[in-house]
Amino acid sequence: AQSVTQPDIHITVSEGASLELRCNYSYGATPYLFWYVQSPGQGLQLLLKYFSGDTLVQGIKGFEAEFKRSQSSFNLRKPSVHWSDAAEYFCAVLAPPGGATNKLIFGTGTLLAVQP
Amino acid sequence: DTAVSQTPKYLVTQMGNDKSIKCEQNLGHDTMYWYKQDSKKFLKIMFSYNNKELIINETVPNRFSPKSPDKAHLNLHINSLELGDSAVYFCASSQDAKVGNSPLHFGNGTRLTVT
Repeated sequence: AQSVTQPDIHITVSEGASLELRCNYSYGATPYLFWYVQSPGQGLQLLLKYFSGDTLVQGIKGFEAEFKRSQSSFNLRKPSVHWSDAAEYFCAVLAPPGGATNKLIFGTGTLLAVQP
Repeated sequence: DTAVSQTPKYLVTQMGNDKSIKCEQNLGHDTMYWYKQDSKKFLKIMFSYNNKELIINETVPNRFSPKSPDKAHLNLHINSLELGDSAVYFCASSQDAKVGNSPLHFGNGTRLTVT
């Protein structure tokens, strides 16, 4: 069965520092992968997605993610974190990809705190 | 002009009660969803409707009954509430049922507390 693992429950970075949030997936074929962000008291917002092609995808708010099939990973990165990036980040895989009906399988999230 | 709106935002009730959560989207989307986020922030899909037709029904107690009067609305009714139902319930919508084609748009959630 498809699954998503986010190994880091909580990460703290200093404002201006770089960020990498880890995501590993389990899926037999090429997955469709997503990163969502949830600000406190808000719903989830899509940051970026990967279906195929270029393995480095750009998203909103200056985020990017790289798909590495050999590592079954889809890590989220940002070169310089802003205080407003403090939020919960969720990685998700689509199961099954491209099907007529499908559903997102979410990871357990990584809570990002940003120090001034 | 909120895209996906849920009411109420907070709901506190006692065990055994029946309650409903309402969801409306003004995006013209065909597909709507209910997700449950537990105390550990784990998000799991419960139901999905496409043009008022139920297309995803996960293993959810039959005390939970979704209702879609039209494709812009998806309500969630819960009978005989239990302590374990306490969670944040998110409504979402997408252009169509192929989530790969169109991203999910989430509401801000309804925090249900059962005492």
